[in-house]
Amino acid sequence: SQTIHQWPATLVQPVGSPLSLECTVEGTSNPNLYWYRQAAGRGLQLLFYSVGIGQISSEVPQNLSASRPQDRQFILSSKKLLLSDSGFYLCAWNQLKNIQYFGAGTRLSVL
Amino acid sequence: RKEVEQDPGPFNVPEGATVAFNCTYSNSASQSFFWYRQDCRKEPKLLMSVYSSGNEDGRFTAQLNRASQYISLLIRDSKLSDSATYLCVVTYSAGNLIFGKGTKLSVKP
Repeated sequence: SQTIHQWPATLVQPVGSPLSLECTVEGTSNPNLYWYRQAAGRGLQLLFYSVGIGQISSEVPQNLSASRPQDRQFILSSKKLLLSDSGFYLCAWNQLKNIQYFGAGTRLSVL
Repeated sequence: RKEVEQDPGPFNVPEGATVAFNCTYSNSASQSFFWYRQDCRKEPKLLMSVYSSGNEDGRFTAQLNRASQYISLLIRDSKLSDSATYLCVVTYSAGNLIFGKGTKLSVKP
């Protein structure tokens, strides 16, 4: 069966520090991969999606970037975090039927 | 602009009650529709897909009205464990979803 892993679960970072969140999927090949952010009291906002290695589409301009160095690995990064980057970051994957499955998420607090 | 609108609630209902949530979407080209459930501080999980003919899964019934761009979720015989936020989700391009902000349900003993 397919599983999706995200880490870390919780992260507290100072403003201006770098960020790297990793997501990996097991049990499938060539999945579509997604990064979302959910700010407090707001809905899920799609940040990036990828349909293959090295293929990244950005949905909103921002302080973040994404990379897909391997088929089942998706990384979210920032060179310098802002206070507004705080939120709940979720990785998701899908293949057929548009159903997306989410990782457990990373709760990021930028102080 | 592509949007999905939901009443944020909260809906506070007693155990055993029937409760209905509604959702409207703006993109008439949307093809797939879902309800996800999100528990506090957890990731969203698929509750059920929504089909044009309507579909039922146990105590849960979902309906879709394409003409009115309207989706509903009915929960019968509410349980304490149904307490969560329910997210209405539609597609706007192949594989990409738009999520509503969610409707919070609290089932009380």
